[in-house]
Amino acid sequence: EAQVTQNPRYLITVTGKKLTVTCSQNMNHEYMSWYRQDPGLGLRQIYYSMNVEVTDKGDVPEGYKVSRKEKRNFPLILESPSPNQTSLYFCASSRINTVNTEAFFGQGTRLTVV
Amino acid sequence: DQQVKQNSPSLSVQEGRISILNCDYTNSMFDYFLWYKKYPAEGPTFLISISSIKDKNEDGRFTVFLNKSAKHLSLHIVPSQPGDSAVYFCAVRIQGAQKLVFGQGTRLTINP
Repeated sequence: EAQVTQNPRYLITVTGKKLTVTCSQNMNHEYMSWYRQDPGLGLRQIYYSMNVEVTDKGDVPEGYKVSRKEKRNFPLILESPSPNQTSLYFCASSRINTVNTEAFFGQGTRLTVV
Repeated sequence: DQQVKQNSPSLSVQEGRISILNCDYTNSMFDYFLWYKKYPAEGPTFLISISSIKDKNEDGRFTVFLNKSAKHLSLHIVPSQPGDSAVYFCAVRIQGAQKLVFGQGTRLTINP
């Protein structure tokens, strides 16, 4: 089954404690990205990757890091989380294709930073 | 600055009637327009899309309309069913890029 898997689904942490949210896709997609969803703001892109070892900032990259060492994995790293990073996070993947822009999303990670 | 706006945070429609969700955009350099549906505790799922060279695309009960002169996108669901109750996001793709820009979302509730 084609899917994007995120872990963990829920996480409560304290300010400053480094954390990683993992994301893995089994569709051999080149493009992967991270979004955060906040009330009234919709989905905003944090970082994206066009392929292995190619990453770039999205609209709200401050406080986040990513890496793309393998095609299937795209972890999101918060080196020193702060309460304003409390949010619902989604990983997504898609083919790089000029016609089909459909993105597949993971189930989400609800992060609370206290 | 919000490039994609869904001005209605919520919409309530009676089962069997038509649901119309709206989205306005500001940039003429968008070349692809999509709608995603999101249930609670799940990720968004792709629903329907339309290229900028078209003005209508239909898939079963779902039809997307694109009015380029007004920079307006709409999704029609007819007839509406209880399972359509969800949050709907419109999204646009910047021409020449893979990036999607999302609207704020509209919560649709279908009443029996």
